[in-house]
Amino acid sequence: GQNIDQPTEMTATEGAIVQINCTYQTSGFNGLFWYQQHAGEAPTFLSYNVLDGLEEKGRFSSFLSRSKGYSYLLLKELQMKDSASYLCAVKDSNYQLIWGAGTKLIIKP
Amino acid sequence: TAGITQAPTSQILAAGRSMTLRCTQDMRHNAMYWYRQDLGLGLRLIHYSNTAGTTGKGEVPDGYSVSRANTDDFPLTLASAVPSQTSVYFCASSDAGGPDTQYFGPGTRLTVL
Repeated sequence: GQNIDQPTEMTATEGAIVQINCTYQTSGFNGLFWYQQHAGEAPTFLSYNVLDGLEEKGRFSSFLSRSKGYSYLLLKELQMKDSASYLCAVKDSNYQLIWGAGTKLIIKP
Repeated sequence: TAGITQAPTSQILAAGRSMTLRCTQDMRHNAMYWYRQDLGLGLRLIHYSNTAGTTGKGEVPDGYSVSRANTDDFPLTLASAVPSQTSVYFCASSDAGGPDTQYFGPGTRLTVL
């Protein structure tokens, strides 16, 4: 079966750095996405990786290792507004997105 | 630009009743999707449409039907609602070019009693 694993919940301090991991086992790979979802709202696109390596976008970076079936989302200089769930999703061989259950990130002052 | 709109925002429905959730996008995206999101689970694909006039089944299609008469609209119909269909429903769309990133509507919170 296809599987995306992420930690259920993480806690970090305002101003710090946090890394959210995602491991996947899917039938084929056509890219990995990270989305942010605030409580009661829709998911919003953060990043996309299809090749190995690091993609940096402001305070957020995303890393991919296809050989290890592994990605992480790195958030720097954490702000209270970063409190949200972070969803990892992989596009499989049928070009459908397979979604992880999400990681709830709690930021403390 | 409105992006994707969904209606209603929320609804309480008696079991056995039918209901149509509406979804409209103004980005001229070819592909559209319906997901449900339940606590502790990832988003699960119900139905999708790669282009107007075509639809396909996702991971959890039973009890749901869709149509795609034009590019902009993609309604989801529950013919006879059951309590297990209580969920938050998200519509999304994507442009087939590039990474094919999906963009989501605000969601419909449905409670079936």
